[in-house]
Amino acid sequence: ILNVEQSPQSLHVQEGDSTNFTCSFPSSNFYALHWYRWETAKSPEALFVMTLNGDEKKKGRISATLNTKEGYSYLYIKGSQPEDSATYLCAASNSGYSTLTFGKGTMLLVSP
Amino acid sequence: SAVISQKPSRDICQRGTSLTIQCQVDSQVTMMFWYRQQPGQSLTLIATANQGSEATYESGFVIDKFPISRPNLTFSTLTVSNMSPEDSSIYLCSVGDSLRGTEAFFGQGTRLTVV
Repeated sequence: ILNVEQSPQSLHVQEGDSTNFTCSFPSSNFYALHWYRWETAKSPEALFVMTLNGDEKKKGRISATLNTKEGYSYLYIKGSQPEDSATYLCAASNSGYSTLTFGKGTMLLVSP
Repeated sequence: SAVISQKPSRDICQRGTSLTIQCQVDSQVTMMFWYRQQPGQSLTLIATANQGSEATYESGFVIDKFPISRPNLTFSTLTVSNMSPEDSSIYLCSVGDSLRGTEAFFGQGTRLTVV
């Protein structure tokens, strides 16, 4: 089982603020890094799946970067909106495991 | 993509009883996965359910406690047996033929409280 750590545990920002979260994972035998967004009472929804060192992906105001050599990924939200309020999960896999290991998530609250 | 219908969405159960959670997928999938998230903890894989064979359980989870059925390629159930308050969690089913490199799809979750 991999050790996937996310920080911060929770975050409270004002509407319009930009914010970022961190996910760290073991760099050895890395295979893929996933980001999911999980709103209360809904299904977790995939944001990004990244596999290559230096990968940068963007979806609207949300973007993510990946550093596989040092074992971390950043998720950025530009101009946060109240509808961005959710728990953001990252999950990693390596070549030794066929499944994902999740972090504990970062709970984001965006106030109007 | 896949759409998964999971039920019940929530339940409050007495200790010592059992609850069966169902997941129906809108397409045929090879593997289905069952996860648990205890309060303040990570989403943790319980087992992988393959059609036509016994489920594969992760370390710390056993078939007697979490029996799983996978009668066909679109449906699976997870039973939480002889429940105790420590089983209070969110349970999620998920699908994907390769969870490592492609996105996973999840049900809406079952929020279980054991009293």
